[in-house]
Amino acid sequence: GAGVSQSPSNKVTEKGKDVELRCDPISGHTALYWYRQSLGQGLEFLIYFQGNSAPDKSGLPSDRFSAERTGGSVSTLTIQRTQQEDSAVYLCASSLTRGARTDTQYFGPGTRLTVL
Amino acid sequence: GESVGLHLPTLSVQEGDNSIINCAYSNSASDYFIWYKQESGKGPQFIIDIRSNMDKRQGQRVTVLLNKTVKHLSLQIAATQPGDSAVYFCAENLSNDYKLSFGAGTTVTVRA
Repeated sequence: GAGVSQSPSNKVTEKGKDVELRCDPISGHTALYWYRQSLGQGLEFLIYFQGNSAPDKSGLPSDRFSAERTGGSVSTLTIQRTQQEDSAVYLCASSLTRGARTDTQYFGPGTRLTVL
Repeated sequence: GESVGLHLPTLSVQEGDNSIINCAYSNSASDYFIWYKQESGKGPQFIIDIRSNMDKRQGQRVTVLLNKTVKHLSLQIAATQPGDSAVYFCAENLSNDYKLSFGAGTTVTVRA
């Protein structure tokens, strides 16, 4: 596609429910990142995928958060037993080559998650 | 902890004037810096980047300046336009890392 796409654009859920957020990276991009942006804040790194390598999960805030990337393309971020503090915009980014740190990361529009 | 931060959370600029957005970083190991622009309801959009072996880099209407001595980064926007209204983030990463660390952002409002 032309850019990174994410779905849904908005998600409202009740506390304790599980949610799945989807990211479609730019075709051909091998590196994929998830970030979280709380209201009025900068972006917080969550997880990084590069090709078939084991993902870097060092930014996940708790074991309720997990992510997978199937076939080296689409990624799903899952939050189990959602809490109100999980409310944020979840942003996905992808980059072209081997995830070299100077590869430009292109961001999707984000999913706004609201936990009631 | 060490982090990237912006000096001012908001900046109001008259259309046609030049804008300067500042960013301070504290990690001396940071050697790659990026400026992103985020419009309401959209993801961050890459503007310009700079490596630590440079002190200035120019793009279309934008210039990034890096002062490693005082750990300061700035973004200059020439002839600011209404479409420049957005939140601007500086981001950095370390020489052995790929994760970006973002500042809190500066909201730029362009007055007609």
